[in-house]
Amino acid sequence: EAGVAQSPRYKIIEKRQSVAFWCNPISGHATLYWYQQILGQGPKLLIQFQNNGVVDDSQLPKDRFSAERLKGVDSTLKIQPAKLEDSAVYLCASSSDSNSPLHFGNGTRLTVT
Amino acid sequence: SQQGEEDPQALSIQEGENATMNCSYKTSINNLQWYRQNSGRGLVHLILIRSNEREKHSGRLRVTLDTSKKSSSLLITASRAADTASYFCATDGGSNYKLTFGKGTLLTVNP
Repeated sequence: EAGVAQSPRYKIIEKRQSVAFWCNPISGHATLYWYQQILGQGPKLLIQFQNNGVVDDSQLPKDRFSAERLKGVDSTLKIQPAKLEDSAVYLCASSSDSNSPLHFGNGTRLTVT
Repeated sequence: SQQGEEDPQALSIQEGENATMNCSYKTSINNLQWYRQNSGRGLVHLILIRSNEREKHSGRLRVTLDTSKKSSSLLITASRAADTASYFCATDGGSNYKLTFGKGTLLTVNP
C-alpha cells in the first residue's frame, strides 16, 4: 500500500510569514494526526482527526495554528504568523482507527529565520 | 507533556551485541507501542503490547511490560548497523486514546 504522503519536504520562511503543509493519508484510514517534533525530542501531538471531525486539539496553539481535513481525506496544517520557535519537523500520521498503530509520513522540516 | 520517558538517552554498541532500552510512564495505559525513527525520516511502528500482556516478540525484538512498575523494555538481539536509529515508546490512555511519545533513545550500532 502507498504510504502517508507529505509535502513540501523542506520549507524555510522568515518569522511572521505564513506557511502551509499538506498530508495525504493511507487510503481508508479514518484517523489522521499532526505531530510537531523539535530537534532532539519526541513528537508532540498537535491535532487528531477522526474522519473530518477534530478529536483532540488541546496542544494546538490556536492563535497561530489551524488545521482542516476536507472530506475526511487530505489534511492541511497552517501556521500564521510563524515564530522562531516553530522551527521543527511536522509529521503527519494516519491509522485505520484510534486503537491501531500509526503510519507516519517523512515529515516537513520547517526552518523559521 | 511527555508521558513516556526512555532510558538511556543514548546507547552505543558493537554489531552483534544486544541493545536494551527502557521506558517509564506515569498514568495507566491501554497499550504501549515502540517506534523507530531513522535520521530524517518518519517513525516506523515496531511492536504494540497491550496492558494485559507481559511479553511480546517480533523477530529480533522482545518487549516486556510491567504495569505495576509502569515500565517497559525493548530488547534488540544480535544488533546490526542498520538498527542505528532513535527508538521511542508511546503510550495511550483516556477516552480518546491519544498517543504520547517519549523523548527517545538514540541507538548507534558500530560495525
